[in-house]
Amino acid sequence: GAVVSQHPSWVICKSGTSVKIECRSLDFQATTMFWYRQFPKQSLMLMATSNEGSKATYEQGVEKDKFLINHASLTLSTLTVTSAHPEDSSFYICSASGSDRGGWNEQFFGPGTRLTVL
Amino acid sequence: RKEVEQDPGPFNVPEGATVAFNCTYSNSASQSFFWYRQDCRKEPKLLMSVYSSGNEDGRFTAQLNRASQYISLLIRDSKLSDSATYLCVVKGTGGGNKLTFGTGTQLKVEL
Repeated sequence: GAVVSQHPSWVICKSGTSVKIECRSLDFQATTMFWYRQFPKQSLMLMATSNEGSKATYEQGVEKDKFLINHASLTLSTLTVTSAHPEDSSFYICSASGSDRGGWNEQFFGPGTRLTVL
Repeated sequence: RKEVEQDPGPFNVPEGATVAFNCTYSNSASQSFFWYRQDCRKEPKLLMSVYSSGNEDGRFTAQLNRASQYISLLIRDSKLSDSATYLCVVKGTGGGNKLTFGTGTQLKVEL
């Protein structure tokens, strides 16, 4: 399958700071990237969908001013958690899909970033 | 009601057992269905797609009943390495390429 990387793998930060998470498609052009969040023992919840070069579409209940998404190129999307608080501590996972990979626009998942806000 | 519902388990089974997981989805307009596997603290990985005619991949068999909005996964001759959380995933509930995940069913295969 296609390779999607995420950095950092984990991050611990103080409350009030901003954290940027990168998602890269390494061997294909990702026209669409998705950002998910998963709390312990819960399902992955889609936060937003981003298409290269356009504004992200956020799911209901997700604050776009708090979770800033940038998808400036076909291989990179970033999620910035602004003014993070302990309740933002979670496992953040990105996925990427592109027309040149996967017969059904399969989403390829990154390894995830574990965020802990103290 | 959740869009995709699964029994969270855990299911503890001995090695070599056959185990089945079920999943129901609420939106009859859903288009595609999948089973993903997620290991602890890892990303989900596609296990198999699910087709109306039923499909098999080695020890794994998936079934879809559109009338009942019900999906199943059967694992035969379970291995220790099958221990993981199995996620039922539905595509097309919200249109486009959006995937909706169930909370997952945890499987523990024991000696």
